[in-house]
Amino acid sequence: DGGITQSPKYLFRKEGQNVTLSCEQNLNHDAMYWYRQDPGQGLRLIYYSQIVNDFQKGDIAEGYSVSREKKESFPLTVTSAQKNPTAFYLCASSRDFYAGELFFGEGSRLTVL
Amino acid sequence: GIQVEQSPPDLILQEGANSTLRCNFSDSVNNLQWFHQNPWGQLINLFYIPSGTKQNGRLSATTVATERYSLLYISSSQTTDSGVYFCAVEDAGGTSYGKLTFGQGTILTVHP
Repeated sequence: DGGITQSPKYLFRKEGQNVTLSCEQNLNHDAMYWYRQDPGQGLRLIYYSQIVNDFQKGDIAEGYSVSREKKESFPLTVTSAQKNPTAFYLCASSRDFYAGELFFGEGSRLTVL
Repeated sequence: GIQVEQSPPDLILQEGANSTLRCNFSDSVNNLQWFHQNPWGQLINLFYIPSGTKQNGRLSATTVATERYSLLYISSSQTTDSGVYFCAVEDAGGTSYGKLTFGQGTILTVHP
């Protein structure tokens, strides 16, 4: 089945450690996105990629980094510079950046101890 | 940037009741989508509806772009409809092209 796979679903890390969240899609979509959701809040855009080997900062990029070396993959690294990393992270994709419909993975819940 | 307001923030229904969720936005939009977030956190795309009306089973949506609002109707609600409903829009102007801004969501609880 086509879809978006995020891993891990749950992750615990100690303060000061970097952690990388995986996002893989087999929908042949050009555009991919990372969002952050805090309890009781809407989603905020961290980074997005319109096409392979290209990515742009979203509204809350500080403390995060991404890469887009393959069309199918858009990993997100939460660095130690991110002051409040505990959150629910959602990866999404769309056919292309201007195509409209957004599809989401199941999310990764990160807890910093 | 564009502002998105959803109402009501919380809604509690008995199974079988109908409901209307509203999304107001502050500027012209190219794109408007409704999502349902289930209790496990996954967001499901319900409608892509920058204008007009669409229906899918018990759900329908209407966007009146000139008046800057969209409505999501749920008829004959079921317990599986529970969760959070989000409206997300793409600002038609400036540097927000291609990026969605989400509202705060409406938390729907359907009791049996």
